[in-house]
Amino acid sequence: DAGVTQSPTHLIKTRGQHVTLRCSPISGHKSVSWYQQVLGQGPQFIFQYYEKEERGRGNFPDRFSARQFPNYSSELNVNALLLGDSALYLCASSPVAGHGANYGYTFGSGTRLTVV
Amino acid sequence: GQQVMQIPQYQHVQEGEDFTTYCNSSTTLSNIQWYKQRPGGHPVFLIQLVKSGEVKKQKRLTFQFGEAKKNSSLHITATQTTDVGTYFCAGRIFVNYGGSQGNLIFGKGTKLSVKP
Repeated sequence: DAGVTQSPTHLIKTRGQHVTLRCSPISGHKSVSWYQQVLGQGPQFIFQYYEKEERGRGNFPDRFSARQFPNYSSELNVNALLLGDSALYLCASSPVAGHGANYGYTFGSGTRLTVV
Repeated sequence: GQQVMQIPQYQHVQEGEDFTTYCNSSTTLSNIQWYKQRPGGHPVFLIQLVKSGEVKKQKRLTFQFGEAKKNSSLHITATQTTDVGTYFCAGRIFVNYGGSQGNLIFGKGTKLSVKP
């Protein structure tokens, strides 16, 4: 079975540009979460989607948006890129969402975004 | 906002020595998870603790969840070079968001290096 796949693996963008990152969860998993990991730090929660609905949002500006498609894949969009947006963006897949969800997350290998 | 604090930030040990990392939350957690991230890799799920005072073991790794469900620890006995990496705790905090919702909040991690 395929794990969590993310594309692209690496990306270089210029300040002010827009970027779209993609994630395909494990087959059968309906929840996708997005995290931003700056070098040397822990993953910071951005969004969680479950059954195509947003179920959680972290402390990120409105420049960040996401959506989940009927096949449970997801996109993370970032507008008006800043140098500080340079990070590893991780997608995590799980079967369900919610506080009673006793499942570990399966992470993809991430997209390394560099903003210059 | 809710935070998950983790100490120490770095730990350098001689192979064969023990290692412990500690995790503390400002709020009561629904559950806590532990992940390991190898250099250049992505977080990999190790274990989840749910019950107050729970202790779980995986070979040389011992995980504990505090009685108040606000703190946790990971102890590695007789470290090996294969244990190198960053260990993250991640607490699931119950947040009411259009129904049950639990975001997974990561600590900053403890980076373990092991000298042969």
